[in-house]
Amino acid sequence: EIVMTQPPGTLSVSPGERATLSCRASQTISNNLAWYQQKPGQAPRLLIYGASTRATGIPARFSGSGSGTEFTLTISSLQSEDFAVYYCQQYNNWPRTFGQGTKVEIK
Amino acid sequence: QVQLVQSGAEVKKPGASVKVSCKASGYIFTTYGITWVRQAPGQGLEWMGWISAYNGVTHYAQNLQGRVTMTTDTSTSTVYMDLRSLTSDDTAMYYCARAWELDFWGQGTLVTV
Repeated sequence: EIVMTQPPGTLSVSPGERATLSCRASQTISNNLAWYQQKPGQAPRLLIYGASTRATGIPARFSGSGSGTEFTLTISSLQSEDFAVYYCQQYNNWPRTFGQGTKVEIK
Repeated sequence: QVQLVQSGAEVKKPGASVKVSCKASGYIFTTYGITWVRQAPGQGLEWMGWISAYNGVTHYAQNLQGRVTMTTDTSTSTVYMDLRSLTSDDTAMYYCARAWELDFWGQGTLVTV
């Protein structure tokens, strides 16, 4: 199965700063990658699919890029509501797999 | 609007089975498959499997093969996830989500073993 790696486990960022999150696939997955945001006590929410397409209602400060094995989620200017855990998931191969998540915390 | 509504919390003894339901509304049910994802306390997301709401084709996580079964009832737009031979490691929040991209999620069902 494809292993998704998300270094680092925790990212400390100040409000208003840019956050850059990474996701690496153990083999090529084309652009079949999604990003999710999860806050405590809530279900995850889809942010990005197709590696770079924002889901409905997602603010423009969230952007995704990459293809093949290397992907990036960028939050251009962190707002207070953006402090959460972010997961990537590949949907190119069965079984689908998630990264272990990156927690974005307040610096 | 698209909604996925899951059944309520369950408490089970080791060795028992649990069946969680996920009722879809707001879209044509057979157009999208449903994925099941679980999350143990304090842990990350684990992909469990996917079922086509069109023809019932399934794909399961390797570590759950033989213990999990996913089914659909198109008459009620409901998907079921049945997990057998439960252990304490199966204690988790279980979510259903639509399609491969998981664009809509259920509210979650807490299963405690």
